[in-house]
Amino acid sequence: QSALTQPASVSGSPGQSITISCTGTSSDVGGYKYVSWYQQHPGKAPRLLIYEVSNRPSGVSNRFSGSKSGNTASLTVSGLQAEDEADYYCSAYTRTSTVVFGGGTRLTVL
Amino acid sequence: EVQLVESGGGLVRPGGSLSLSCAASGFSFSTYSMNWFRQAPGKGLEWVSSISSSGSYIYYADSLKGRFTISRDNAKNSLYLHMNSLRAEDTAVYYCARDPPPVTAIGCFDYWGQGTLVTVSS
Repeated sequence: QSALTQPASVSGSPGQSITISCTGTSSDVGGYKYVSWYQQHPGKAPRLLIYEVSNRPSGVSNRFSGSKSGNTASLTVSGLQAEDEADYYCSAYTRTSTVVFGGGTRLTVL
Repeated sequence: EVQLVESGGGLVRPGGSLSLSCAASGFSFSTYSMNWFRQAPGKGLEWVSSISSSGSYIYYADSLKGRFTISRDNAKNSLYLHMNSLRAEDTAVYYCARDPPPVTAIGCFDYWGQGTLVTVSS
């Protein structure tokens, strides 16, 4: 179960958009639509932002969107706000019914 | 309101054992698959184990097989993780989390507890 690959950090100014990538293999990200994204503020539990590549749970802002192409999934945060500063993790459900996470991306709002 | 409350964390010596609990409320626990995750200090999230609603299907991260055991008691609305042969690298905050309602989504976790810290040190 190798970890998915995410950039360690990204940054943007308020109002701008940023995209975080998440690269896996055909056994996880590329093989299924079961990619999820989580937001985690320091000292807090993770919060589900996106499930099944591009679906938002009730209560999640439409400024968060997800997509996938081949073995790479992406999370886009538009209209950056100060409260978006957090760690973001992608995860994928694999063909062996296990779950693999990316290493996490620290988003800094300048 | 869905609530998940972990307990049982603490300081344990290398080679020791520890059992964690997760008390669930606000939903029909017996109909949901449940999961354990962990996060080492300053590190990323790691999936540990999953258990189906009835307990019939159980999965573990390859690196943990044989040392950790997940279980549940639907009558007590509780999820458990028993950890043996603990190592320094098992030091982490351990979270329990719920699968979404059956048939609605796969491979994601919609409610998380606040976590319990396990420290393995001599």
